[in-house]
Amino acid sequence: SQTIHQWPATLVQPVGSPLSLECTVEGTSNPNLYWYRQAAGRGLQLLFYSVGIGQISSEVPQNLSASRPQDRQFILSSKKLLLSDSGFYLCAWSELTANTEAFFGQGTRLTVV
Amino acid sequence: AQRVTQPEKLLSVFKGAPVELKCNYSYSGSPELFWYVQYSRQRLQLLLRHISRESIKGFTADLNKGETSFHLKKPFAQEEDSAMYYCALSGRNTGKLIFGQGTTLQVKP
Repeated sequence: SQTIHQWPATLVQPVGSPLSLECTVEGTSNPNLYWYRQAAGRGLQLLFYSVGIGQISSEVPQNLSASRPQDRQFILSSKKLLLSDSGFYLCAWSELTANTEAFFGQGTRLTVV
Repeated sequence: AQRVTQPEKLLSVFKGAPVELKCNYSYSGSPELFWYVQYSRQRLQLLLRHISRESIKGFTADLNKGETSFHLKKPFAQEEDSAMYYCALSGRNTGKLIFGQGTTLQVKP
């Protein structure tokens, strides 16, 4: 069966420090991969999605970047965190075919201080 | 532009009352529509998808292309239905999956 792992679960980082959140999927190949930010009042905001290795689409201009170094690995990064980067980040995957269910990780609560 | 709008941040009803969570979308083409639910301390998970035309936990949703809506309905709410509900849209031939702002459903005893 397929599983998705996202870590860490919580993270407190100072302003200006780098960020690396990792997400891996097991039990499938060539999945669509997503990074979302869940914020009160703004719902679930799509940040990045990827349909293959090295293929990253950015949805919102921001201080973050994403990479997909391996087929089932998706990384969310920042060189210098801002206070506004605080939030709850979710990784998800789905099959490449249309109308398929997306499966979500447990999420990472990031607090920038 | 692709967009999903859920106009209500919070919907509060009494147990046994009917529920309708509104969702409107904007998409140039034939979208796939979904409802996702997040119960307290659980992961976000799929509730139902429009193409399946199914009823899950008593919930149904009908795609109305004329009104570009995909409202979620249940005739009699239960306390265990209390959760955050997200409407989502996917392009038929793209990998992009976008969500609305979410509606918190609170079912009071």
